[in-house]
Amino acid sequence: KQEVTQIPAALSVPEGENLVLNCSFTDSAIYNLQWFRQDPGKGLTSLLLIQSSQREQTSGRLNASLDKSSGRSTLYIAASQPGDSATYLCAPPDNYGQNFVFGPGTRLSVLP
Amino acid sequence: DTAVSQTPKYLVTQMGNDKSIKCEQNLGHDTMYWYKQDSKKFLKIMFSYNNKELIINETVPNRFSPKSPDKAHLNLHINSLELGDSAVYFCASSFEGGGRYGYTFGSGTRLTVV
Repeated sequence: KQEVTQIPAALSVPEGENLVLNCSFTDSAIYNLQWFRQDPGKGLTSLLLIQSSQREQTSGRLNASLDKSSGRSTLYIAASQPGDSATYLCAPPDNYGQNFVFGPGTRLSVLP
Repeated sequence: DTAVSQTPKYLVTQMGNDKSIKCEQNLGHDTMYWYKQDSKKFLKIMFSYNNKELIINETVPNRFSPKSPDKAHLNLHINSLELGDSAVYFCASSFEGGGRYGYTFGSGTRLTVV
């Protein structure tokens, strides 16, 4: 059964810092992994979908890396802004490749 | 706008009632999903459905049933609501089962059972 952990659980930083959010998963036989953002009381917004054939995927100030062999993915946020404050969720597929399994999230607060 | 839309956004109801949540997507996706986010904010799959197959998470009570009138809609019916059903329910869709090309989520329905 795919299990996902995310570290840290919460993070509070001043504006402008570069951040690293970590995700670990137990079943490394995955074909992709998706990172989402959830604002309080809102739905999930897809940030990056990284395929197993890729090692990195970039969108603006966001960069996600994937290391299947070690069961890890990392989300880098460059030059953080208060608008980045949200919960960030990592989601690899389940063992059967049928659904995404979500981690508990990292709650990020960027202070002005 | 191309999107996954859910209605209602908020639903407050009494224990024992039967209710439905609707989900529609206009993205041309062939697979739809229901996820439940509990008070601890964990997101758990409830159902995934395409034209061929309904996959049910075995932990979901049979009071919950998905109904799909067509490929663009997947509604969630809940019978005999209980206090523990209070949560936020998210609908999502993708091309192909398993989300090989990623998911798109709706904005959620906050269900409160009193």
